[in-house]
Amino acid sequence: DTAVSQTPKYLVTQMGNDKSIKCEQNLGHDTMYWYKQDSKKFLKIMFSYNNKELIINETVPNRFSPKSPDKAHLNLHINSLELGDSAVYFCASRRQGVTDTQYFGPGTRLTVL
Amino acid sequence: GQQLNQSPQSMFIQEGEDVSMNCTSSSIFNTWLWYKQDPGEGPVLLIALYKAGELTSNGRLTAQFGITRKDSFLNISASIPSDVGIYFCAGQNGNNRLAFGKGNQVVVIP
Repeated sequence: DTAVSQTPKYLVTQMGNDKSIKCEQNLGHDTMYWYKQDSKKFLKIMFSYNNKELIINETVPNRFSPKSPDKAHLNLHINSLELGDSAVYFCASRRQGVTDTQYFGPGTRLTVL
Repeated sequence: GQQLNQSPQSMFIQEGEDVSMNCTSSSIFNTWLWYKQDPGEGPVLLIALYKAGELTSNGRLTAQFGITRKDSFLNISASIPSDVGIYFCAGQNGNNRLAFGKGNQVVVIP
């Protein structure tokens, strides 16, 4: 029944590794997002996909690569992880229309050692 | 990107008290949203506002979309311990982007 789900919930890894975070929504929404929340709780958009097409790409290092195999999934792959990548990453989705509000997943806490 | 000024940034309140917080922007928004984030969870939508001047309630929560479209406030009446969390305002312009405030940490003292 979970609307927006993310896996894993926690991810601890060493610097230099490559890791992926997965996101799925069962709301039938057209648009999905990735956000990064830093230690001060500030939420910053990273990417957005609409119907599998990239529409927002903020100034994010190209070590971060989103992939949308279909409109219900948006995965985030991170290469060569750095200490500064430690944060909570949230996936969100939205149906375009009158009530175009975003719904967030539970988050993935990434810790880079 | 656009940033919203949210105040206060934290507040300690006694159970039963009313809480008021607001959000301002230098830009106009078409939609104002209020989210609550519990520890270890993602933000959950509380109230969405779509028209300037709109006043909307959701239980003990009331939010208003400012007439100028550059501000919004959220009130929580008769606070209870489970109101603890971080409250975020967000503005949206139909360009797929949400601009978030920095959040207001609310602590309710029983």
